[in-house]
Order: sequence, then C-alpha cells, then structure tokens
Amino acid sequence: EVQLVESGGDLVQPGGSLRLSCAASGFPFSGHWMSWVRQAAGKGLEWVANIKEDGSEKYYVDSVKGRFTISRDNAKNSLYLQMNSLRAEDTAVYYCARPTWGSTNVNWFDPWGQGTLVTVSS
Amino acid sequence: EIVMTQSPATLSVSPGEGATLSCRASQTISSNLAWYQQKPGQAPRLLMYGASTRATGIPARFSGSVSGTEFTLTISSLQSEDFAVYYCQQYNYWPPTFGQGTKVEIK
Repeated sequence: EVQLVESGGDLVQPGGSLRLSCAASGFPFSGHWMSWVRQAAGKGLEWVANIKEDGSEKYYVDSVKGRFTISRDNAKNSLYLQMNSLRAEDTAVYYCARPTWGSTNVNWFDPWGQGTLVTVSS
Repeated sequence: EIVMTQSPATLSVSPGEGATLSCRASQTISSNLAWYQQKPGQAPRLLMYGASTRATGIPARFSGSVSGTEFTLTISSLQSEDFAVYYCQQYNYWPPTFGQGTKVEIK
C-alpha cells in the first residue's frame, strides 16, 4: 500500500523557518517525481513545488520562490520542504503528494498524505 | 494562470438522489482535468482524470464529462460516504490549478 506521512508542522513566528518531512513507502520512491500542495483553512488547494526523481529539477509556485526549497533523500525514501521567511499567508495544511502525468507536461496528484499544519503567527 | 471556477459552492442533496457539480476553466484545457474528493480531516483523494476516467477503486456512480470549457462531475445516487468537498484541477497549462471546491451536504 502506498503511504505518504508528513511531519514537522508547527506554530512559527513571521520571518521564521520550518522544515517539513514526508516519509514514503509502498512504491519505488526514487523512481517518482514528488510534490507539495497546501490548503489554507477553509480555502482551496494550491500546488507549491515539484521535484524530479533525482532532485535535479525543481519547480515552485511564484509566491514561494526564493523562500522555500524542496529536496529529497532517496536513500531514506523521504521528501522535504524547507520553508524560510515565513509569512502569515503561508499558514496552511501542507500535503505531500505523488504527481502523475498524462499527455501533457502538467500533472495531477495521486496519492496524497494526510497533511501537516503550519501556522505562521506572532 | 488558468482559473478554475466551481459551482455551486454548496449542494444540498438527499441520500439516494443524484448530484451534478460543475467546473469551468478560464481557457480551453482539452480534457486535462482531474476531480478529487475530500472528507473532513482527510487528504484529497483522486476520483477522476482525463475528465471522465475513474481512478482505481472509484465506483461507477461517479462519472465525468466535458463540453468546451465546462466540466461536470455527476454522482448518480449519493451514498452516505459521498458527502464531502469536491475539487477540480486542470493539468493542461503550468502551473496546475484547482477550483475552490463544491461541498456536497446532506439535505
């Protein structure tokens, strides 16, 4: 069974940093791109970042470029999101997800982890 | 960025009745649309991709269609486990974008 388990969410002050982790199991992690998607309370879903199988390509939504860094450790079957210079608007549940492609170069997501809550507040 | 607009925001339906959810794209996205179901406190679950292809394990009472930029998710006879929030997501243009969701609640 494919499982994605996030951790690391916490309450952090504006301008602070946090590192999220996602432990993957049940599939060949090193053979798949991975993603982070977030959801602010009562709001919709927003794609945050993608990383290639070997970590050589990374893509970010404009609002987090220069502040967030996606990375992975294939030996540990783990995905990470380093979040710096956090803002109130980054407050959300952050989901780890596995992207899937059809005939385009844009992906959908399946499956998703249960999420970890990041709250940015003083 | 492609804007996805879902309607209605909330749909009240009695168990056993059908439900029709809409999702409109701001530009043509072919059939490159996915639907997700999210229950309270849970992660989103993929229901459908390619506008009308059910994901693994999704029951046949869920169906999808497209006409131009208008996408429809139909649930033929709502079961108790179907009351949830449904999101659409386009994957034709970068970046992938989601609609704001339709909540299907018990009438």
